[in-house]
Amino acid sequence: GAGVSQTPSNKVTEKGKYVELRCDPISGHTALYWYRQSLGQGPEFLIYFQGTGAADDSGLPNDRFFAVRPEGSVSTLKIQRTERGDSAVYLCASSPQPPPGEQYFGPGTRLTVT
Amino acid sequence: AQTVTQSQPEMSVQEAETVTLSCTYDTSESDYYLFWYKQPPSRQMILVIRQEAYKQQNATENRFSVNFQKAAKSFSLKISDSQLGDAAMYFCAYRSATGGSEKLVFGKGTKLTVNP
Repeated sequence: GAGVSQTPSNKVTEKGKYVELRCDPISGHTALYWYRQSLGQGPEFLIYFQGTGAADDSGLPNDRFFAVRPEGSVSTLKIQRTERGDSAVYLCASSPQPPPGEQYFGPGTRLTVT
Repeated sequence: AQTVTQSQPEMSVQEAETVTLSCTYDTSESDYYLFWYKQPPSRQMILVIRQEAYKQQNATENRFSVNFQKAAKSFSLKISDSQLGDAAMYFCAYRSATGGSEKLVFGKGTKLTVNP
């Protein structure tokens, strides 16, 4: 079946602009995760959804970052007033159940803030 | 907070040979999961192997096996009969098994090159 998909694949935006990154999880997966991977680093956790609610948003770096999952499927990561330091690959993963369900990753969105 | 350390930024191996990638972690928890993920240039993270901390037996998945030393907090990955397709970034990751946090904590990664 289809894996996790993320759109767009690449996004270039100017400093100060607003961006939305979309994640389509595997059908039926209740858990959804966002990670951020800076150049030369491992992914860093941002937020975890179980169904429609954010069960853990401790990784969001500041209030410019916000994520939603209104119907418990597709999720959107929103970044306001982008900064050059937000440039990174944003990875989404989904999981079929509570632990120890494997996390299946999408190909990521590469965000470049100029 | 848990941390994961991969001390080898880059490794290389000859095709058909064996290579071991190192990983250490720090935690005060007794129950957790450890993972190795592969990330090719396509960026998509692929699970290679998983180990539950309560299991003493080392996990094996075809040519991939781990050496899990719980007391030493060490979790190395051995790749046998290396193939050109094994070339990628490899990340070690930790996940708590206690309630609440489902997040993966990753190391910085090891870039593996396979020479023909």
